[in-house]
Amino acid sequence: SAVISQKPSRDICQRGTSLTIQCQVDSQVTMMFWYRQQPGQSLTLIATANQGSEATYESGFVIDKFPISRPNLTFSTLTVSNMSPEDSSIYLCSAQQGTGELFFGEGSRLTVL
Amino acid sequence: GESVGLHLPTLSVQEGDNSIINCAYSNSASDYFIWYKQESGKGPQFIIDIRSNMDKRQGQRVTVLLNKTVKHLSLQIAATQPGDSAVYFCAEILSGSARQLTFGSGTQLTVLP
Repeated sequence: SAVISQKPSRDICQRGTSLTIQCQVDSQVTMMFWYRQQPGQSLTLIATANQGSEATYESGFVIDKFPISRPNLTFSTLTVSNMSPEDSSIYLCSAQQGTGELFFGEGSRLTVL
Repeated sequence: GESVGLHLPTLSVQEGDNSIINCAYSNSASDYFIWYKQESGKGPQFIIDIRSNMDKRQGQRVTVLLNKTVKHLSLQIAATQPGDSAVYFCAEILSGSARQLTFGSGTQLTVLP
């Protein structure tokens, strides 16, 4: 199994600022994804982080708001740009090895004031 | 669009009893299903998975049943323990997709002493 570390684990940010969340996997993985989980809700896929190329975004999510990087097979970042209180959420990194199970990090809990 | 949904948002069971959490899915093209457990403040934790060519799979104290005819998935937990209290999500992966998960809305399981 893969161990996924995210940081920061939580942060409180001011409106209009940006925050970058880092995701590190302890082994090489084929797929990496970013999810958002709003309070009391299920998980919604933001995008697939593609190594060495632009991420693939789901409907309702755009690169300008959520730029994503994946420079190698074990690391990815998600930036939440120009934050507003509506961006307060848990952001989760996930990774998959081959066609096996999908592992999740502990999440980054973001509060925007 | 296609979605995965749960029958009940909350479930309370007595410690030692068996728990059954149900999930309906609508996309017959889904070929892989996973149950996740999410404890408060943590990321989702893989419990058990099942592929569409199976109708039952057993793990330690857990069993997943898949009924493709009625597009229904269930998670059975035997001898429920206080540590089983969490939110449980079912998730599906569409055949041929880039392996992104689509999550259901979640069921809060509470184990009563």
